[in-house]
Amino acid sequence: DAGITQSPRHKVTETGTPVTLRCHQTENHRYMYWYRQDPGHGLRLIHYSYGVKDTDKGEVSDGYSVSRSKTEDFLLTLESATSSQTSVYFCAIRVEGLNIQYFGAGTRLSVL
Amino acid sequence: QKEVEQNSGPLSVPEGAIASLNCTYSDRGSQSFFWYRQYSGKSPELIMFIYSNGDKEDGRFTAQLNKASQYVSLLIRDSQPSDSATYLCAVNRNTGNQFYFGTGTSLTVIP
Repeated sequence: DAGITQSPRHKVTETGTPVTLRCHQTENHRYMYWYRQDPGHGLRLIHYSYGVKDTDKGEVSDGYSVSRSKTEDFLLTLESATSSQTSVYFCAIRVEGLNIQYFGAGTRLSVL
Repeated sequence: QKEVEQNSGPLSVPEGAIASLNCTYSDRGSQSFFWYRQYSGKSPELIMFIYSNGDKEDGRFTAQLNKASQYVSLLIRDSQPSDSATYLCAVNRNTGNQFYFGTGTSLTVIP
């Protein structure tokens, strides 16, 4: 699992509430990514980070914010969850030398 | 035009046959190519990566890359029912930090 832990693994919340998903890694990788996966769309990048406090937007960043105050943690926040954000969220790290990504187990989020 | 395109399938092959999965990409600057296997309800698992034109073999898996034609393929020899999964193709550009994924091809291996 490349030392990646996502929490929570499952969450049900209501429209309009804030939600924070956590990705924790144990191997000191510089790059971390947040994706969402929906039927028919595959994996789509939300945000990524290339170091502490260094982040950039991906393809579907609207409605999401991220923070990385420590190398090991990358947080994804939905400030006001909407039903369109019901999805499976995956965190990934990038092994720079090989340019390879490994994924966490995922978080299944339902916004009612 | 999508960055990465895959035939969504489903692709069905009998046990023991060769499964062939294909992927095309749009950016000629792409340098790194990956195949992930994803079982239902699980996360993507890296099974192959390839950087140079030609073939790369790992056990029953062979990745093939043709940069001139902008396609990458995955062959699975002696397919097993346990190979039944969705296979995701991904690419990374030479100059970017982002990885682009296809929507995946569903493979079913029939015993």
